[in-house]
Parts: sequence; structure tokens; C-alpha cells
Amino acid sequence: EVRLVQSGAEVKAPGESLKISCEGSGYGFINHWIAWVRQMPGKGLEWMGIISPINSDTRYSPSFAGLVTLSADRSTNTAYLQWTSLKASDTAVYYCARLGFEGLIVLPTGVFGGYFDLWGRGTLVIVSS
Amino acid sequence: DIVLTQSPLSLPVTPGQSASISCRSSQSLLHANEYNYVDWYLQKPGQSPQLLIYLASNRAAGVPDRFSGSGSGTEFTLKISRVEAEDVGVYYCMQSLQTSRTFGQGTKVEI
Repeated sequence: EVRLVQSGAEVKAPGESLKISCEGSGYGFINHWIAWVRQMPGKGLEWMGIISPINSDTRYSPSFAGLVTLSADRSTNTAYLQWTSLKASDTAVYYCARLGFEGLIVLPTGVFGGYFDLWGRGTLVIVSS
Repeated sequence: DIVLTQSPLSLPVTPGQSASISCRSSQSLLHANEYNYVDWYLQKPGQSPQLLIYLASNRAAGVPDRFSGSGSGTEFTLKISRVEAEDVGVYYCMQSLQTSRTFGQGTKVEI
């Protein structure tokens, strides 16, 4: 079965660090970019960034650059999203998604295209004192 | 950043009737390769989003043919013909013409 399996819910205090995961299975994990999407409580979807598992080429949304770090481990087919110091405003559900191939253009100047054709179930992160 | 504006934001529907959602972009999403870089997603209650339409008009695998996408440049439409109860949820358009992808605000479809 083709799927993305995300790690379980987390409850953290402000200032703590956190790393959540997204494991791909049933397909060639290294061949597809992985995106991360945030959904704050009761709100819409926000794109955070993308990473290529084959070489860890990473592109961030300006809104999240410097606030989070994306990484990937080819040996375990797993992508990661991490924070060094959480804030209450990081409380949200975080989804990983696989990018499809058709229309995908990868250049040093940007990564264009790549619809999100497979989604994980999301990881709920609650940051509260 | 490219801004996507969806309308309406709330859409009451009647099973068996058709429904349309508009997505307008602040810039053309038509690339020189003739692809329009807009996709449509549905987030059913309590679920993660799922891909419905990619590159403006291509139905994703397993998506019923009552869903269709159309448009080019800055104006795009998702049409649901013969709405069914299982189609309720929030529909989002997303552009990927820029590396910094953006989503529309979402349209809530309810019976």
C-alpha cells in the first residue's frame, strides 16, 4: 500500500524542541519531493516547505524560513520537520504530502509544479504551558 | 506571493444538483510549457486533504468523474455535477507556479 505515515500527537511546553516524522512506503521514496503543510486550529492550509529525499535539496516558504528545519533520511524513507524552540503559535496539525511528477520543474531558482498526490494523516502539535 | 481568492466561501448544496467553486489568481498561472499550475483539494471533516484535480483540469486517480476542473490564466473553476452527501468538506485551490506555493482560503460545502 502506498502511504505516508506520520508520527503521533505531541504536547510540548514553550521553548522546547521537537522533531516530527513522515515515513513513506509502497513507492520509491527518494524519487518524490515531500512537502509540509500547516493547518492551525479552525484555519486553512499553509505551505511550509519542500525537500527532496534524494539529495536533501530544501526550499522554504518565506513565512517559515529560519523557524523550522526540514530534513530527510534516505535509509529509512523518512522526512522530518523540526523546531528548536516552540511557541504557543506553533499549535497546529502538520501534514506531509508527496509531490507528483507531471509538470514538475526543478531549477536552482525554484521548484515549480508538483501537485500533492499523497497525504499523511497529520501530526497534531500542541504547545502549551 | 501569488494570492488566490476563492468564491463563494460557503456553499450550501442539494444532493443531485451541481455546484461550482471559483478560484481567481492575482497573477497568471499559465506557464510557457502550457500547463496551468493550479490544483484542487478536498478536506473532508476530520480528514487530511486529498487531491481532486491537478494542473487545472486533470482528475486525480480514483476521483469520481462528477468532479471537473477548468480555466486558464487567472480564472479557474471546480465543478461538481450531481453532488453527493460524501462531497461535503472544505475545497481548496493551490498554485505551484511559484516555489512558494499558496492556497486559497477554502470553500466550505455543506448539504
